[in-house]
Amino acid sequence: DSGVTQTPKHLITATGQRVTLRCSPRSGDLSVYWYQQSLDQGLQFLIQYYNGEERAKGNILERFSAQQFPDLHSELNLSSLELGDSALYFCASSEAGYNEQFFGPGTRLTVL
Amino acid sequence: AQTVTQSQPEMSVQEAETVTLSCTYDTSESNYYLFWYKQPPSRQMILVIRQEAYKQQNATENRFSVNFQKAAKSFSLKISDSQLGDTAMYFCAFMKHDLVYGGATNKLIFGTGTLLAVQP
Repeated sequence: DSGVTQTPKHLITATGQRVTLRCSPRSGDLSVYWYQQSLDQGLQFLIQYYNGEERAKGNILERFSAQQFPDLHSELNLSSLELGDSALYFCASSEAGYNEQFFGPGTRLTVL
Repeated sequence: AQTVTQSQPEMSVQEAETVTLSCTYDTSESNYYLFWYKQPPSRQMILVIRQEAYKQQNATENRFSVNFQKAAKSFSLKISDSQLGDTAMYFCAFMKHDLVYGGATNKLIFGTGTLLAVQP
């Protein structure tokens, strides 16, 4: 158990819908990262937050957004969902100055 | 931009034998970190081993060791005494050193992975 929690574990929805994925980092970790793992794109970095502020952005679609709340949990919002958004979404957290990211179990999103 | 290449999509090894997974990367950075992550069928991402680029000594974690060749930009993973539980997808990953916060508080850039099957 990495100490990073993600909910829900599985999500099945239809095209055009909007979903929210939630992540709670390890206690004390200020950095949260979101990654997408799909068959055609592999493992890709989406976005990073540090202590409530956006720190870095990767290949995140405009239909996707994220935020980190004062209690440091983070949410990834995916809207106008398309079939190609079906993927495993990972959240990871890390401590500043430390060289390891701890991954949550992931949320499996299926868009029908 | 940094890239990570794993040229072996699949590999197979007999139990108790040794196997080496290859990884090359491209970067103009001088200070960075390299990682091997394991993803078993459960899909959990598990850190296997990490290497700081400024360290010349190759990292070792029990049966796992790396061969880090900085000039060649190569970072291979050797698994000794392979066990059935080693069956997984293995990802090589790169991370730039964080100039603002120090250490490695940056995004990971992953290779495409190598699926390793350990045969009984």
